[in-house]
Amino acid sequence: ETGVTQSPTHLIKTRGQQVTLRCSSQSGHNTVSWYQQALGQGPQFIFQYYREEENGRGNFPPRFSGLQFPNYSSELNVNALELDDSALYLCASSWGLMRDTQYFGPGTRLTVL
Amino acid sequence: EDKVVQSPLSLVVHEGDTVTLNCSYEVTNFRSLLWYKQEKKAPTFLFMLTSSGIEKKSGRLSSILDKKELFSILNITATQTGDSAVYLCAVEPTGNQFYFGTGTSLTVIP
Repeated sequence: ETGVTQSPTHLIKTRGQQVTLRCSSQSGHNTVSWYQQALGQGPQFIFQYYREEENGRGNFPPRFSGLQFPNYSSELNVNALELDDSALYLCASSWGLMRDTQYFGPGTRLTVL
Repeated sequence: EDKVVQSPLSLVVHEGDTVTLNCSYEVTNFRSLLWYKQEKKAPTFLFMLTSSGIEKKSGRLSSILDKKELFSILNITATQTGDSAVYLCAVEPTGNQFYFGTGTSLTVIP
């Protein structure tokens, strides 16, 4: 059984660029949630995908978008990057919608210059 | 506005001490409260609480929820250096939202 993996580990972009972050779910999990964690802050919920459909969204603008694929892996896309988008991006997978089965990946550290 | 507030923001204790971490919340239509430990990057799940007054326990860690006063505490007894981490509290209302607090940074000194 493999855990949740994310790629890349680190990424540096400039303002205005676009970025795609990837997440592979733990085996058997059909739900993926994405979070943004700024330095010194708690994670903020971006959105959740359940069986390839968006199933809940936090207070993030439309330039944050996502996809979930038939194998339940997921992508987070961020357009028109801003300096404040610099953060650790965490994904978490679970079976169904129960948060206590949610396992987090190691995150992608995004720096926007 | 839904919010989760944790206190203290940081804490430094000596090995063997007992600590109590606090989490208060204001959310519409509460469903559950969860505690996580974050050592480097990936938070790891500790407890999920849905009912008031029922203590959840795992080894030296325990947690309880008070839905009337809208708070939860996480207790760690006989602390060890391996307990050093950021402890996150998160609240899930109905409607597929999820709110984390800022976390409490715990440092255990040998």
